[in-house]
Order: sequence, then C-alpha cells, then structure tokens
Amino acid sequence: GEDVEQSLFLSVREGDSSVINCTYTDSSSTYLYWYKQEPGAGLQLLTYIFSNMDMKQDQRLTVLLNKKDKHLSLRIADTQTGDSAIYFCAEKGSSGAGSYQLTFGKGTKLSVIP
Amino acid sequence: DSGVTQTPKHLITATGQRVTLRCSPRSGDLSVYWYQQSLDQGLQFLIQYYNGEERAKGNILERFSAQQFPDLHSELNLSSLELGDSALYFCASSVALAGDGYGYTFGSGTRLTVV
Repeated sequence: GEDVEQSLFLSVREGDSSVINCTYTDSSSTYLYWYKQEPGAGLQLLTYIFSNMDMKQDQRLTVLLNKKDKHLSLRIADTQTGDSAIYFCAEKGSSGAGSYQLTFGKGTKLSVIP
Repeated sequence: DSGVTQTPKHLITATGQRVTLRCSPRSGDLSVYWYQQSLDQGLQFLIQYYNGEERAKGNILERFSAQQFPDLHSELNLSSLELGDSALYFCASSVALAGDGYGYTFGSGTRLTVV
C-alpha cells in the first residue's frame, strides 16, 4: 500500500536554509505535494511537482524529486520565524474507479530559532 | 479564508453520543474528502464523495458515515463516540474526481473532544 515517511522534527536558525525530506512508496504517483499547517489552522498547499519533473522553484521554495529513489525534498531559503509550522508531504495515488486520494506523511515540525 | 467552510469549529461531547460535522466545499468543487488528524496516526483519509456519490473509502469506522447533498455540502456523522475519536476532522475539496495539480483545498477543521 501507499506510505509516506517524513522525519518528525527539524530545527534551524533564522536566515539559514531548511531542508525537509520525504520518501514515498507509490511509484505510480503523478503529483507530489507539500502542505503547511500553522497552529490551529487547516492545511495550506505550498507547492507541488509533477512526477516527470526533477526540480521546481517557487520564490524561496525549491522542490527536488528523485523518482528512482522515491525521495522528495523541500528546501526553504532564508528561513524566517513565520515559517515555523508543520510541513506535510503528500502523494496522489489511485484508489480505483478513476478516483484518487492524497496520502500524507505524519508531518515535519519546523522550529525556527531567532 | 480557503473557501472551504467547516462547522462547528469545536465540539465537546460525551462518550456514546452522536455528532454531525458539516462541510461546504469551495465554490465549483465537486469532490469532498474527509480526513481525521490525530497525534499518533497523523492524517488519515476517511472517505471521498464526488457530485453526491461515494467514490472512495479509507480507514473509516463502521460507526462513522457521511453523505454529500445535492447542493454539494457534506456531512460526517460520528456515532457511539469513544474517547479515541477525539481528533481534528478536516474536510477538503477539489474540482475534479481525480484531483489535479492543485491538490486539495482544506477547511480549518472541527476539533472534536470526547469526554
């Protein structure tokens, strides 16, 4: 079955880069996503990457995809205290009958030290 | 505001009771998904509806049920509640059955506490 793994915690100093890693198991995944959850809020889509891409950059965010190793990473440049949140990796897989669902990792809690 | 509305935001109820959580999807979205978020299990997919029909089931208990109405809002019914059902319940919506490059749009969740 589908499984998405992430490390649970990451601590960085303000101004440094943060790298959050994720591994997934479904080789047929077409899209992979990064979501951000701030305390008391829902999940907000940060960025996504299509499976035929290796890299995607969006302002301070860089997503790297290694399809061979089923490894996804999110790099946040110049990390700010406002980036403190839980970051979820998710893969889109088929649940049959033309339907798809997102499977999420357990989330990585990023703490930014001023 | 994501455009997905969930009510109520907080709910406290006793074991054995039944509650209903409500979700209004983003305008134009036909698919609604329910997820349960707990500290130990993370985000667990419960069920998906598309245009009124159930399309996929995940780890949903038999005590739980859901439906999507003609106006596309959805309700998640939780019955015979147990302490372990305490969690955040999220609703998400997407335009199409298969989702798309934009993933889902999430509501802010309903925090259920069973005492």
